[in-house]
Amino acid sequence: QVQLVQSGAEVKKPGASVRISCKASGYRFISYSIHWVRQAPGQGLDWMAKVTPTNGDTDYAQKFQGRVSMTRDLSTNTVYMDVSGLTSEDTAMYFCARGTIDDFFDFWGQGTLVSVSS
Amino acid sequence: SYDLTQPPSVSVSPGQTARITCSGDVLAKNYAHWYQQKSGQAPVLLIYKDTQRPPGIHERFSGSKSGTVVALTITGAQVDDEAVYHCSSTDVSGHHRGAFGGGTKLTVL
Repeated sequence: QVQLVQSGAEVKKPGASVRISCKASGYRFISYSIHWVRQAPGQGLDWMAKVTPTNGDTDYAQKFQGRVSMTRDLSTNTVYMDVSGLTSEDTAMYFCARGTIDDFFDFWGQGTLVSVSS
Repeated sequence: SYDLTQPPSVSVSPGQTARITCSGDVLAKNYAHWYQQKSGQAPVLLIYKDTQRPPGIHERFSGSKSGTVVALTITGAQVDDEAVYHCSSTDVSGHHRGAFGGGTKLTVL
C-alpha cells in the first residue's frame, strides 16, 4: 500500500534551518511528483513546493523561493525539504503529499511539526 | 489570503444535508478537489476531478460544479463527519502548483 512517512518533530531557534524528510513506499517512486504543504496553527493549507522525482525538477511558491529547497534520493525513495531563515511564522505542521497528473494529492504523509521559538 | 474562497463554517444536524461551496476564477478551466481533515490528522482525499470519489469514500459524499463554483455535498451527515473540509485546484501560473481554499469547519450536532 502507498505510504509516505515523514521525519519527526523539530524545534528550532529563529534564523536556523531545518530539514524534513518524506520516505515513499508502495508504488513506483518516479511516477508521481511529491509536494509539500504547510498548515500554520488553526489555519488552512498552504502549498509550498514540489519535486518531479524523474528528473529532480523543482518548483516553489513565490513566497518561499530562495528560502526553501527540495531534493530527492532515488536510492531510498526519499524527498527532502530544507527551509532556511526560520522565523516564528514558520511554526507549522508540514505535510508531504503525492501529486497526480490532474493536480490532486491522493496520499499524504502524517505531518511533521516544526516549532520555531527563541 | 487563499486562491479559493470557502465559508469558514457550516453547521447541520445529524441526518441533514450539508453543502460546502468553493469559488475561484481558476475553477472555470481547472478541476476542483476536496479533502477531509479531522482534528490532529493529515488531510484525506475525498473528491477529485470535481465529482469523482476515490475507493473507500462513502457515497454520501458528492461533488458538483457550475462555472467557477464547486460544491461538496454530504447527504445524511453524521457526527463522524465533523472535520475541516478543504477545496483545492491548481494555481493560475500554469505550473501545476497547488492552490487551496481556507477550509470550512463542518459541525454536526
